[in-house]
Amino acid sequence: KQEVTQIPAALSVPEGENLVLNCSFTDSAIYNLQWFRQDPGKGLTSLLLIQSSQREQTSGRLNASLDKSSGRSTLYIAASQPGDSATYLCAATQGAQKLVFGQGTRLTINP
Amino acid sequence: ETGVTQTPRHLVMGMTNKKSLKCEQHLGHNAMYWYKQSAKKPLELMFVYNFKEQTENNSVPSRFSPECPNSSHLFLHLHTLQPEDSALYLCASSHTWDPNTEAFFGQGTRLTVV
Repeated sequence: KQEVTQIPAALSVPEGENLVLNCSFTDSAIYNLQWFRQDPGKGLTSLLLIQSSQREQTSGRLNASLDKSSGRSTLYIAASQPGDSATYLCAATQGAQKLVFGQGTRLTINP
Repeated sequence: ETGVTQTPRHLVMGMTNKKSLKCEQHLGHNAMYWYKQSAKKPLELMFVYNFKEQTENNSVPSRFSPECPNSSHLFLHLHTLQPEDSALYLCASSHTWDPNTEAFFGQGTRLTVV
């Protein structure tokens, strides 16, 4: 059974810093790895989707990497801003849109 | 605005009540999903519908009853719930159930069972 773990559970950094969020998964037989953002009490916003054949994806200040063999993905956020404060979730797609989620990393960017 | 709209946004119901959650998408997608997000637990997939047909029931208790009358609408009928069913219920849709298509989520319904 796939298990997805995100470390750390919470992270607080000063504005302007670059930071890395980590995601690990136990079963490497995934179709893709997705990163989402969730604001308090809100739904999920898709940030990046990395296909299993890809190593990384970039969108603006965000860069996500995928290493299937080691069961790891990272989300790199450059030049962090207070508006980046949210919970970041990663999800491994097993098949037919069966997303298995981690518990998330709650990120706070301090002005 | 994600294109996936859920109503109501908040719901408080007693254990003997019957209520329904509604999800609507205007993205032309053919697959829709219900997820449950409980405090301190990861998001859990509950149901998957593809072209109005239920293709996945992730061992969800029968007190949760989904309905998909067409590809744009998805309901979750609730009856005889327990306090532990209190959670954020999220609806999502995707173009197809192809695992490599992006899923779009609604804002969720915050359910409290008293």
